[in-house]
Amino acid sequence: DVKVTQSSRYLVKRTGEKVFLECVQDMDHENMFWYRQDPGLGLRLIYFSYDVKMKEKGDIPEGYSVSREKKERFSLILESASTNQTSMYLCASSPFRGKGENQPQHFGDGTRLSIL
Amino acid sequence: GQSLEQPSEVTAVEGAIVQINCTYQTSGFYGLSWYQQHDGGAPTFLSYNALDGLEETGRFSSFLSRSDSYGYLLLQELQMKDSASYFCAVRTAGGFKTIFGAGTRLFVKA
Repeated sequence: DVKVTQSSRYLVKRTGEKVFLECVQDMDHENMFWYRQDPGLGLRLIYFSYDVKMKEKGDIPEGYSVSREKKERFSLILESASTNQTSMYLCASSPFRGKGENQPQHFGDGTRLSIL
Repeated sequence: GQSLEQPSEVTAVEGAIVQINCTYQTSGFYGLSWYQQHDGGAPTFLSYNALDGLEETGRFSSFLSRSDSYGYLLLQELQMKDSASYFCAVRTAGGFKTIFGAGTRLFVKA
């Protein structure tokens, strides 16, 4: 069965701290994604990666960076955490498929991050 | 800009049929997907349409009209467990990026 594992379910950090969120998938998927989910805003894409060491900015990359040193692992880094980064963070992975083919994303259970 | 529009809330009774609409405006289109998310849970994939028409999977069906930039998710024989949020999503930008709508909260009443 498909498995995307996020390192923490709940996390509390302080303003200014450097925060690492880890995500591991066991499906050998090419693509990995980081989203944040806030009420009424849906899922907003922070960064994605389509290959090892490759990364692309999503819609809201400011204040974040990512690392993908191995295919199965995609890390989200909050360089200097701020209170407006309090949110639910969701990691997802998908295989890469061509145009017209389904490319379903598989999500982890999420990390609820609170910045105090 | 790119956007997906869907209703924020829908309420229906058990056993009924409900339709959740989604209109999109994106640069590039590789397909429309639907995801379900229960409270406290992760989004899970429901359906995908790349071509115009209706796709059926059990009680759920999804429709796409590319000329109208419009799709919908149809849920039949509603059950209490269908109470959840439903997101439409468009795969775009060369196929790598997926944009999600804000989600529709479905309440199923007895």
